[in-house]
Order: sequence, then structure tokens, then C-alpha cells
Amino acid sequence: EVQLLESGGGVIQPGGSLRLSCAASGFTFSSYAMSWVRQAPGKGPEWVSVISGSGGGTDYADSVGGRFTISRDNSQNTLYLQMNSLRAEDTAVYFCAKGAKSNYYNQFDYWGQGTLVTVSS
Amino acid sequence: DIVLTQYPGTLSLSPGERATLSCRASQGVSSSYLAWYQQKPGRAPRLLIYGASSRATGIPDRFSGSGSGTDFSLTINRLEPEDFAVYYCQQYDSSPFTFGPGTKVHIK
Repeated sequence: EVQLLESGGGVIQPGGSLRLSCAASGFTFSSYAMSWVRQAPGKGPEWVSVISGSGGGTDYADSVGGRFTISRDNSQNTLYLQMNSLRAEDTAVYFCAKGAKSNYYNQFDYWGQGTLVTVSS
Repeated sequence: DIVLTQYPGTLSLSPGERATLSCRASQGVSSSYLAWYQQKPGRAPRLLIYGASSRATGIPDRFSGSGSGTDFSLTINRLEPEDFAVYYCQQYDSSPFTFGPGTKVHIK
């Protein structure tokens, strides 16, 4: 059974940093691209970033480019999102989502339960 | 960026009725890289349809998707009580992988 478990969310002041983790199990982690998708309160989902199965390729939404860094440790079956220079508009539930294939261009077939990030002074 | 527009924004229906949801893209989505997700309050989105018309694992056959290019639709035949939720379309043809604003299907 595929399981994705996010952690690392919390309340952080504007300008601060936070690192999210997503522990994966139930599938061959290195064979699939992984993404972070966020959802602000009362809004629809917003794709944030993707990393290829090997970790050799990444891509970001313009809204987070230069501030967020996605990475993965295939030996630990874990996905990360390093978030720097956080802004109030980054407040959201952050989901990790498994891609259906190793490259970027595929649907998200499994999602974690999400972790809430609140940026507030 | 590919902008997705969903309509209607809200659909009020009774159990047993058919729901037809639409998603229009601001430019063509090649290879039909279009997915539909269902989301219930406090839960993560769940994949229903990918490739515009293929059902995901475990999705009942009352859910069907169609369309190509810029116009796509999701049909739910014989609505069950558990189908009342918000539905999002998403394109994964080009980055950024955008979502539509959603259609809420609620009980009439």
C-alpha cells in the first residue's frame, strides 16, 4: 500500500525558514517523480515543485522559485521541501504527491494527508 | 501558463442524477495530459481520471472523462451520496502544472 506522510509544518514568522519532509513507503521510491502541491485556506490546489525520480531534474512554480528547494533522498525514501524567505501568502496545507512515472509530465496518483504551514508574526 | 476554467462553479443535484462538469484550457493540452481529482473537506485530493479519459485504480465506472485540445468534461452517472465534493481539473502537459478553480457538487 502506497503511503506518504508529511511532517515539518508549523507556525513561522515572515522571512523565516522551514523544511518539510515526506516519508514514502509501499512503492519503489526512486522510480517516480514527486511533487509538492499546496492549498491555501478555502482555495484550490497549487502545484509548487517537482523532482524527477533520480533527483537530477527539478522545476518550480514562479511564486516560489529562488526561495524553495525540492530534494529527495532515495536511500531513505524521503522527499524534502526547504522553504526560505517565507511570506504570508505561503500559508497553506502542503501535500506531497507521487507522480505516476519517473518524469515530470504525469498525474498525481497518490497524495499524503498534508502538513499545515502558517506564516504569521 | 495554461489557465484552466471550470464551470459551473457550483452544481446542485440530487442522488441518482447525472453531473456534467466542464474544464476549458486557455491553450491546447497536448496528449490529453488532463486529470480530474475529487476532494472532500479536510482530505487530500484523490485522482479520478487521467489522460482525459482513463479511470484511476479503484474508481467506479460511474465516473467518466472525455475531451481533447481545450475542452474537457467529467461525467458522474447516478450520483451516490459520497460523490458530493469539490472536483478539480489539472493539466500536466506543461509547467507550471495548473489546477482549475474547482466545481462544487452539493446535494439539492
